[in-house]
Amino acid sequence: GDSVTQMEGPVTLSEEAFLTINCTYTATGYPSLFWYVQYPGEGLQLLLKATKADDKGSNKGFEATYRKETTSFHLEKGSVQVSDSAVYFCALRRDGSGNTGKLIFGQGTTLQVKP
Amino acid sequence: NAGVMQNPRHLVRRRGQEARLRCSPMKGHSHVYWYRQLPEEGLKFMVYLQKENIIDESGMPKERFSAEFPKEGPSILRIQQVVRGDSAAYFCASSPPLTETQYFGPGTRLLVL
Repeated sequence: GDSVTQMEGPVTLSEEAFLTINCTYTATGYPSLFWYVQYPGEGLQLLLKATKADDKGSNKGFEATYRKETTSFHLEKGSVQVSDSAVYFCALRRDGSGNTGKLIFGQGTTLQVKP
Repeated sequence: NAGVMQNPRHLVRRRGQEARLRCSPMKGHSHVYWYRQLPEEGLKFMVYLQKENIIDESGMPKERFSAEFPKEGPSILRIQQVVRGDSAAYFCASSPPLTETQYFGPGTRLLVL
C-alpha cells in the first residue's frame, strides 16, 4: 500500500543553519505531495505542496521538489529561525477517479532550532 | 472566513464512557476528514464524509467508533465505551471539492483515565 517515510528526529539546529528533512514515498501512479507543519498544541497547517513531477512547492523560505525518479519530496530551508521549531509532516494524496482524497502521513520530524 | 473549528479542545473520559467530538468545517466546505494522532506518531486517516454520507470509512476501527455529518450542524465523531488506547489527538480537516487542499482544525485531545 501507499506509504510515506520521513527521517527520524529530533533534528536540532542552530539559528541560520541549513535545513533538510528527507521524505520518500511509495505509491502507484502520480500522487500529490504535501508538507504540513504542526506547532505545539495546534493543528496542522499546510506549508507547501506539489502536484506533479518536477514541481517545486515553496512558502516562507521552505522549498521541496517532487522527484519522481527518486520518489522523494525533501524539505529544505536555507536559514532556519527559532520560530521554525515545530513538527513537520510529509504526506501524499492519491488523486483521480476512485480515490477519496485521504492523506497518508509520515511519522513526523521534530525540528528544534536553538538561538 | 473562520477556520475549521473543533470542540472540545480537551476531553477527559473514564474507561467505559462515551466521547463525542465535534467538527465544524470552513464555510463553503462540504467534505470532512477525521484523522487520529497517537502519541509520538503521525496522523492516520479514519473516515471521510460528505453531507449525510460516509464516503470512505476504511480507517475506522470496526467497533465502538462511528461518524456522521448531518445536513445541518457539525460533523460528529463518536467513540463508545472508551478504552485507554483511545487516548489520542483527533483532528478534523475540511475541503471544498474532493482534490482540493484540506484545512485542519486545532484538534481534540482525548484522555481516557
